[in-house]
Amino acid sequence: KAGVTQTPRYLIKTRGQQVTLSCSPISGHRSVSWYQQTPGQGLQFLFEYFSETQRNKGNFPGRFSGRQFSNSRSEMNVSTLELGDSALYLCASSLNYRGLGDEQYFGPGTRLTVT
Amino acid sequence: AQRVTQPEKLLSVFKGAPVELKCNYSYSGSPELFWYVQYSRQRLQLLLRHISRESIKGFTADLNKGETSFHLKKPFAQEEDSAMYYCALSGGGGGADGLTFGKGTHLIIQP
Repeated sequence: KAGVTQTPRYLIKTRGQQVTLSCSPISGHRSVSWYQQTPGQGLQFLFEYFSETQRNKGNFPGRFSGRQFSNSRSEMNVSTLELGDSALYLCASSLNYRGLGDEQYFGPGTRLTVT
Repeated sequence: AQRVTQPEKLLSVFKGAPVELKCNYSYSGSPELFWYVQYSRQRLQLLLRHISRESIKGFTADLNKGETSFHLKKPFAQEEDSAMYYCALSGGGGGADGLTFGKGTHLIIQP
């Protein structure tokens, strides 16, 4: 079974631009969660989608948004990029809603650099 | 607010020695605790969770609610155990507070 895939793997953007990252979960998985990883803050939860609905949201500004499609693929968008948004963005999928305790499987991440 | 603390950024032990990676948490309800591991050039993956009470790759972790700790232990370290280890907490109530990670401990097993 193919693992979680994320595209693109690397991205360089300029301050003020917007960016869209994509995540394809493991086949059959219905929940997708997004995390931001930085050297200073570590791994921080962004949001979780299940059945095309955002179920949970971390403490991030409204510039960070996401969505999930009917095939469970998910995208996250960051508008008006700031230098501090430079990070590794990880996507994780689980069979069902993570809150029920299902194991999460992580993707390789997208490395975003904002200049 | 939920919080996870891993006091050691780096832990170096010799092969065959016991290993203990510390994890303390702060949460007012009944949390679910996890240990995730990331080997060099690999993805983050679940190592174990407290509700399953399993031993994975020789590692065990016991939830101590009195001390709010979930330390990861292995009696005899192996070189292949070298990796980044993250303790994580999922709050109750359907996990509505998200999954909170500690900053991680880099474990190095010396030959």
